Amino acid sequence: QQQVKQSPQSLIVQKGGISIINCAYENTAFDYFPWYQQFPGKGPALLIAIRPDVSEKKEGRFTISFNKSAKQFSLHIMDSQPGDSATYFCAASIVQYSNSGYALNFGKGTSLLVTP
Amino acid sequence: ETGVTQSPTHLIKTRGQQVTLRCSSQSGHNTVSWYQQALGQGPQFIFQYYREEENGRGNFPPRFSGLQFPNYSSELNVNALELDDSALYLCASSRTLAEQETQYFGPGTRLLVL
Repeated sequence: QQQVKQSPQSLIVQKGGISIINCAYENTAFDYFPWYQQFPGKGPALLIAIRPDVSEKKEGRFTISFNKSAKQFSLHIMDSQPGDSATYFCAASIVQYSNSGYALNFGKGTSLLVTP
Repeated sequence: ETGVTQSPTHLIKTRGQQVTLRCSSQSGHNTVSWYQQALGQGPQFIFQYYREEENGRGNFPPRFSGLQFPNYSSELNVNALELDDSALYLCASSRTLAEQETQYFGPGTRLLVL
């Protein structure tokens, strides 16, 4: 079953706007939450990641907000650009060893289109 | 580009056949994970190899098997192919188990089963 639920499925934002993608999880053992960006024909590329001991992490135009009590985290893309048009995946994993190794559990993805 | 390479890029097989996909990890990386990405879905974890041993496995049947070689490159083998095996197969490498969370993905092999 899907351990990480992601929304929305698709998103259209005007250039310069803010793109917001949300994810929710159930397994409280998850302790690492990365976001990946995937362009057509390419593999996913790590964008930014957060551990649950902080509530926010910012790298350039990308910010992760993390709400441990609500078991939710989100990606904010500020000043969105047409070059940001891609599919974005949230993921969660257990950094401490588990019997499934160190699997990344991905959401279903959000297709972002930034219009000029 | 991550330095993770996969071959072939595309492959067409028929139901019941067997397939082998290959992955060369990024230099200095000793951990390789394989993922299956169906169309319009997120990647699903198949298994992970660390120093030539399977280190964990997702919810995939035994007809999905793998190998890791002394140079840390890896193979994914799928026997008795089914139509639902059609997907993009992604390989990801990471530097060590301690830093496993930073997984660098290759471009994938797109498999079509007819």
